[in-house]
Amino acid sequence: DAMVIQNPRYQVTQFGKPVTLSCSQTLNHNVMYWYQQKSSQAPKLLFHYYDKDFNNEADTPDNFQSRRPNTSFCFLDIRSPGLGDAAMYLCATSMPSGPSTDTQYFGPGTRLTVL
Amino acid sequence: AQSVTQLGSHVSVSEGALVLLRCNYSSSVPPYLFWYVQYPNQGLQLLLKYTTGATLVKGINGFEAEFKKSETSFHLTKPSAHMSDAAEYFCAVSEKGGSYIPTFGRGTSLIVHP
Repeated sequence: DAMVIQNPRYQVTQFGKPVTLSCSQTLNHNVMYWYQQKSSQAPKLLFHYYDKDFNNEADTPDNFQSRRPNTSFCFLDIRSPGLGDAAMYLCATSMPSGPSTDTQYFGPGTRLTVL
Repeated sequence: AQSVTQLGSHVSVSEGALVLLRCNYSSSVPPYLFWYVQYPNQGLQLLLKYTTGATLVKGINGFEAEFKKSETSFHLTKPSAHMSDAAEYFCAVSEKGGSYIPTFGRGTSLIVHP
């Protein structure tokens, strides 16, 4: 089935040690998003790509970077994780110009633990 | 600008009882409205959405929602709760012809008692 895949599902890193989370999609959607979600909170948008155009939210820390080498893949890099970065990271896709309009399709998430 | 208010961070019901989760929105243009469900340690899954046409929208797992423009509401209901419905529910809004990025509410945790 077409879907949004995130790897790994669980990631443990050490304070200050760079970490990369990956997302891939088989939906051929042109928009890909990264969200951070902390316990009992709504997802918080970090940034998104519309095709190759990168759009950063104003309050996203510089510690967070992203890459989208092609339509199918998108990566979230955390350069120096702090304890406050421990969270669930959600990847999502959408096709605003398509029949599904603004519907977002989410991956299962990667839960990041920072020791 | 768009915004969403979900009344009640927690809703508790007995198994078999009616489920009602409230969502009010603000939008300067006709909205697209969504309900997503999130089970523990999972991503968000679309339950249902309103884009245009019929204001009563049916979704998966027996849920439905009604778009009421005059009340700027999009409340989610289910006639009879199951234990498996226990999850976090998020209402979201985006704007037709506007930003394609939905704004999410803070979420409502549904607790189902046996």
